[in-house]
Amino acid sequence: DTGVSQDPRHKITKRGQNVTFRCDPISEHNRLYWYRQTLGQGPEFLTYFQNEAQLEKSRLLSDRFSAERPKGSFSTLEIQRTEQGDSAMYLCASSRLAGGLSEQYFGPGTRLTVT
Amino acid sequence: KQEVTQIPAALSVPEGENLVLNCSFTDSAIYNLQWFRQDPGKGLTSLLLIQSSQREQTSGRLNASLDKSSGRSTLYIAASQPGDSATYLCAVTPRGGGTSYGKLTFGQGTILTVHP
Repeated sequence: DTGVSQDPRHKITKRGQNVTFRCDPISEHNRLYWYRQTLGQGPEFLTYFQNEAQLEKSRLLSDRFSAERPKGSFSTLEIQRTEQGDSAMYLCASSRLAGGLSEQYFGPGTRLTVT
Repeated sequence: KQEVTQIPAALSVPEGENLVLNCSFTDSAIYNLQWFRQDPGKGLTSLLLIQSSQREQTSGRLNASLDKSSGRSTLYIAASQPGDSATYLCAVTPRGGGTSYGKLTFGQGTILTVHP
């Protein structure tokens, strides 16, 4: 069990560019979540996968955002035509479905800065 | 809509003090409540998970209680140390079933500073 990993850890991009982040959950965790955290705030839910199925998307996830989890393993979050308001920490978490809800384990996050 | 509030927003204490962080939530229909620690610029580390049927959980110097009917949880830290300095976040999992299963709703956090 190596924990949840995210790549890259930091990304600086110019406004209007596209960016893609990757999350590798703990192996055999079938649930994967994306959250966004801005300075001084708690994380806010963006979207959630159970295996490869994307089951819920927050209204925070505009049509410029897309997330995938092919084959139910790693996940990617893409932001198209980035805006300065997209600057935030993007956190990924995973959990195991085992007769109910279990603890979510978070990765180190990807800090995005849009200039 | 579930809202989670943490009080105080910031707390500064001398080393060795016992302290209490507070978390309140507006909808008592929850599956569980988690307390997390976040160091500056880092991800979240889970500290304690309390199921809705439980009243408290303990881990080392940490004790978390849950009063679901009143929508409150407290995190008690005994004999605080400078290494405890971090942001502490509480989060609830709403009991909604269906596609909302499992997502966390967070408070804004309490920034704790323990000075030597």
